[in-house]
Amino acid sequence: GDSVTQMEGPVTLSEEAFLTINCTYTATGYPSLFWYVQYPGEGLQLLLKATKADDKGSNKGFEATYRKETTSFHLEKGSVQVSDSAVYFCALSYNAGNMLTFGGGTRLMVKP
Amino acid sequence: KAGVTQTPRYLIKTRGQQVTLSCSPISGHRSVSWYQQTPGQGLQFLFEYFSETQRNKGNFPGRFSGRQFSNSRSEMNVSTLELGDSALYLCASSLGAGRSTDTQYFGPGTRLTVL
Repeated sequence: GDSVTQMEGPVTLSEEAFLTINCTYTATGYPSLFWYVQYPGEGLQLLLKATKADDKGSNKGFEATYRKETTSFHLEKGSVQVSDSAVYFCALSYNAGNMLTFGGGTRLMVKP
Repeated sequence: KAGVTQTPRYLIKTRGQQVTLSCSPISGHRSVSWYQQTPGQGLQFLFEYFSETQRNKGNFPGRFSGRQFSNSRSEMNVSTLELGDSALYLCASSLGAGRSTDTQYFGPGTRLTVL
Protein backbone atom coordinates (compact mmCIF):
# COMPACT_ATOMS: atom_id res chain seq x y z
CA GLY A 1 0.00 0.00 0.00
CA ASP A 2 0.90 3.64 -0.06
CA SER A 3 3.17 5.00 2.64
CA VAL A 4 5.11 8.09 3.67
CA THR A 5 8.44 8.06 5.50
CA GLN A 6 9.90 11.06 7.28
CA MET A 7 13.18 11.59 9.05
CA GLU A 8 12.86 10.98 12.75
CA GLY A 9 13.18 13.88 15.11
CA PRO A 10 13.59 15.84 17.07
CA VAL A 11 15.49 18.22 14.87
CA THR A 12 17.12 20.94 16.96
CA LEU A 13 18.40 24.07 15.24
CA SER A 14 19.55 27.52 16.20
CA GLU A 15 17.57 30.52 15.00
CA GLU A 16 18.41 31.52 11.40
CA ALA A 17 19.78 28.06 10.57
CA PHE A 18 18.83 26.22 7.36
CA LEU A 19 16.17 23.56 7.68
CA THR A 20 15.66 20.36 5.72
CA ILE A 21 13.15 17.70 6.70
CA ASN A 22 13.29 14.66 4.45
CA CYS A 23 10.15 12.97 3.15
CA THR A 24 9.90 10.04 0.76
CA TYR A 25 6.81 8.18 -0.36
CA THR A 26 5.70 4.92 -1.88
CA ALA A 27 2.65 5.13 -4.08
CA THR A 28 0.97 3.05 -6.75
CA GLY A 29 -0.24 6.10 -8.67
CA TYR A 30 0.44 9.80 -8.87
CA PRO A 31 -0.68 11.40 -5.64
CA SER A 32 -0.74 14.99 -4.49
CA LEU A 33 1.78 15.73 -1.73
CA PHE A 34 1.36 17.91 1.34
CA TRP A 35 3.18 19.31 4.33
CA TYR A 36 1.11 19.99 7.44
CA VAL A 37 2.28 21.64 10.66
CA GLN A 38 0.96 21.05 14.16
CA TYR A 39 1.64 23.55 16.93
CA PRO A 40 1.30 22.43 20.56
CA GLY A 41 -2.30 21.87 21.57
CA GLU A 42 -3.65 22.59 18.11
CA GLY A 43 -4.87 20.72 15.07
CA LEU A 44 -3.04 20.49 11.77
CA GLN A 45 -2.56 23.40 9.41
CA LEU A 46 -1.75 23.00 5.75
CA LEU A 47 1.69 24.49 5.12
CA LEU A 48 2.08 23.79 1.41
CA LYS A 49 1.20 21.30 -1.30
CA ALA A 50 2.11 20.13 -4.78
CA THR A 51 -0.23 18.28 -7.09
CA LYS A 52 2.08 17.00 -9.84
CA ALA A 53 5.69 16.15 -10.57
CA ASP A 54 8.16 19.06 -10.53
CA ASP A 55 5.63 21.37 -8.85
CA LYS A 56 7.06 23.48 -6.05
CA GLY A 57 4.88 24.35 -3.10
CA SER A 58 5.82 27.35 -0.99
CA ASN A 59 4.44 29.26 1.97
CA LYS A 60 5.86 31.40 4.81
CA GLY A 61 9.42 30.83 3.60
CA PHE A 62 9.01 27.05 3.43
CA GLU A 63 9.44 25.22 0.14
CA ALA A 64 9.14 21.66 -1.14
CA THR A 65 9.47 20.23 -4.67
CA TYR A 66 7.61 17.14 -5.89
CA ARG A 67 10.34 14.83 -7.22
CA LYS A 68 8.82 11.84 -8.97
CA GLU A 69 12.17 10.32 -9.93
CA THR A 70 13.29 10.11 -6.30
CA THR A 71 9.74 9.87 -4.84
CA SER A 72 10.58 12.67 -2.46
CA PHE A 73 9.06 15.90 -1.16
CA HIS A 74 11.67 17.38 1.18
CA LEU A 75 10.74 20.47 3.20
CA GLU A 76 13.24 23.35 3.32
CA LYS A 77 13.49 26.78 4.86
CA GLY A 78 16.42 29.12 4.55
CA SER A 79 16.27 30.71 7.99
CA VAL A 80 14.18 29.24 10.79
CA GLN A 81 12.67 31.19 13.66
CA VAL A 82 11.76 30.16 17.19
CA SER A 83 8.11 30.41 16.15
CA ASP A 84 8.67 27.58 13.63
CA SER A 85 9.01 25.10 16.49
CA ALA A 86 6.29 22.52 15.87
CA VAL A 87 5.69 19.04 14.50
CA TYR A 88 5.74 18.72 10.71
CA PHE A 89 3.86 16.01 8.82
CA CYS A 90 4.35 14.94 5.23
CA ALA A 91 1.28 13.40 3.58
CA LEU A 92 -0.10 12.15 0.29
CA SER A 93 -3.57 11.87 -1.16
CA TYR A 94 -5.17 10.80 -4.42
CA ASN A 95 -8.37 12.78 -4.09
CA ALA A 96 -7.56 16.42 -3.56
CA GLY A 97 -6.42 16.15 0.03
CA ASN A 98 -9.16 13.96 1.36
CA MET A 99 -8.15 10.60 2.79
CA LEU A 100 -4.60 11.64 3.63
CA THR A 101 -1.81 9.15 4.34
CA PHE A 102 0.61 10.71 6.80
CA GLY A 103 4.23 10.17 7.70
CA GLY A 104 5.20 9.79 11.33
CA GLY A 105 5.91 13.46 11.90
CA THR A 106 9.13 15.33 12.67
CA ARG A 107 9.44 17.57 15.70
CA LEU A 108 11.41 20.75 15.08
CA MET A 109 12.85 22.73 17.99
CA VAL A 110 14.43 26.09 17.25
CA LYS A 111 16.56 27.68 19.95
CA PRO A 112 17.16 31.44 20.19
CA LYS B 1 -15.12 32.79 8.77
CA ALA B 2 -15.30 30.39 11.70
CA GLY B 3 -12.97 27.41 11.58
CA VAL B 4 -13.68 23.75 12.20
CA THR B 5 -14.98 23.21 15.72
CA GLN B 6 -14.93 20.01 17.70
CA THR B 7 -16.72 19.18 20.91
CA PRO B 8 -15.92 18.24 23.52
CA ARG B 9 -12.22 19.07 23.63
CA TYR B 10 -11.48 16.51 26.34
CA LEU B 11 -13.20 13.31 27.38
CA ILE B 12 -12.47 10.63 29.96
CA LYS B 13 -14.26 7.30 29.65
CA THR B 14 -13.83 3.81 31.02
CA ARG B 15 -13.38 0.58 29.12
CA GLY B 16 -16.58 -0.82 27.66
CA GLN B 17 -18.37 2.53 27.46
CA GLN B 18 -19.26 4.26 24.24
CA VAL B 19 -18.53 7.82 23.19
CA THR B 20 -19.79 10.31 20.61
CA LEU B 21 -17.64 13.13 19.26
CA SER B 22 -18.96 16.06 17.27
CA CYS B 23 -17.51 18.13 14.45
CA SER B 24 -18.89 21.29 12.86
CA PRO B 25 -17.23 22.05 9.51
CA ILE B 26 -16.49 25.42 7.99
CA SER B 27 -19.60 26.97 6.51
CA GLY B 28 -20.08 25.78 2.93
CA HIS B 29 -17.89 22.70 3.32
CA ARG B 30 -19.64 19.43 2.50
CA SER B 31 -16.87 16.93 3.23
CA VAL B 32 -15.89 15.91 6.74
CA SER B 33 -13.04 13.49 7.47
CA TRP B 34 -11.97 11.96 10.76
CA TYR B 35 -8.45 10.95 11.83
CA GLN B 36 -7.03 9.24 14.88
CA GLN B 37 -3.68 10.44 16.23
CA THR B 38 -1.71 8.29 18.69
CA PRO B 39 1.97 8.28 19.66
CA GLY B 40 2.38 4.70 18.46
CA GLN B 41 0.42 4.66 15.20
CA GLY B 42 0.63 8.31 14.24
CA LEU B 43 -2.14 9.86 12.18
CA GLN B 44 -4.57 7.39 10.64
CA PHE B 45 -7.60 8.04 8.45
CA LEU B 46 -10.89 6.80 9.87
CA PHE B 47 -13.57 7.81 7.37
CA GLU B 48 -14.91 10.61 5.21
CA TYR B 49 -18.47 11.78 4.79
CA PHE B 50 -19.81 13.83 1.91
CA SER B 51 -23.43 14.89 1.54
CA GLU B 52 -24.50 12.59 4.39
CA THR B 53 -22.89 9.51 2.80
CA GLN B 54 -19.73 7.72 3.80
CA ARG B 55 -17.46 8.16 0.80
CA ASN B 56 -14.20 6.64 2.05
CA LYS B 57 -13.28 4.39 4.94
CA GLY B 58 -9.99 3.55 6.61
CA ASN B 59 -8.92 0.30 8.19
CA PHE B 60 -10.63 0.46 11.57
CA PRO B 61 -12.95 -2.04 13.26
CA GLY B 62 -16.71 -1.69 13.12
CA ARG B 63 -16.74 -0.23 16.64
CA PHE B 64 -15.85 3.05 14.94
CA SER B 65 -18.75 4.60 13.09
CA GLY B 66 -19.89 7.99 11.98
CA ARG B 67 -22.62 9.95 10.37
CA GLN B 68 -23.21 13.29 8.75
CA PHE B 69 -26.27 15.48 9.00
CA SER B 70 -27.93 17.62 6.35
CA ASN B 71 -26.11 20.73 7.67
CA SER B 72 -22.78 18.87 7.14
CA ARG B 73 -22.11 18.52 10.86
CA SER B 74 -20.67 15.14 11.65
CA GLU B 75 -20.47 12.81 14.61
CA MET B 76 -18.29 9.82 15.19
CA ASN B 77 -19.08 7.10 17.66
CA VAL B 78 -16.85 4.53 19.29
CA SER B 79 -18.57 1.66 21.04
CA THR B 80 -17.14 -0.77 23.60
CA LEU B 81 -14.13 1.41 24.28
CA GLU B 82 -10.70 -0.16 24.68
CA LEU B 83 -7.59 1.29 26.30
CA GLY B 84 -6.01 1.52 22.86
CA ASP B 85 -8.71 3.94 21.72
CA SER B 86 -7.10 6.67 23.81
CA ALA B 87 -6.07 9.24 21.23
CA LEU B 88 -6.53 12.66 19.76
CA TYR B 89 -9.40 12.53 17.26
CA LEU B 90 -9.12 15.13 14.55
CA CYS B 91 -11.84 16.27 12.22
CA ALA B 92 -11.16 18.02 8.93
CA SER B 93 -13.50 19.70 6.48
CA SER B 94 -13.22 20.65 2.84
CA LEU B 95 -15.42 21.62 -0.06
CA GLY B 96 -15.21 17.99 -1.14
CA ALA B 97 -15.39 18.70 -4.84
CA GLY B 98 -12.35 16.54 -5.55
CA ARG B 99 -10.40 19.28 -7.28
CA SER B 100 -6.66 19.57 -6.74
CA THR B 101 -7.22 23.07 -5.37
CA ASP B 102 -9.39 21.73 -2.57
CA THR B 103 -7.85 21.93 0.89
CA GLN B 104 -8.64 20.17 4.17
CA TYR B 105 -8.93 22.36 7.25
CA PHE B 106 -8.45 20.66 10.60
CA GLY B 107 -10.12 21.29 13.92
CA PRO B 108 -8.25 21.35 17.25
CA GLY B 109 -9.24 17.78 18.06
CA THR B 110 -10.92 15.90 20.89
CA ARG B 111 -8.57 14.26 23.38
CA LEU B 112 -10.13 10.94 24.47
CA THR B 113 -8.70 9.09 27.45
CA VAL B 114 -9.94 5.57 28.19
CA LEU B 115 -9.29 4.28 31.71
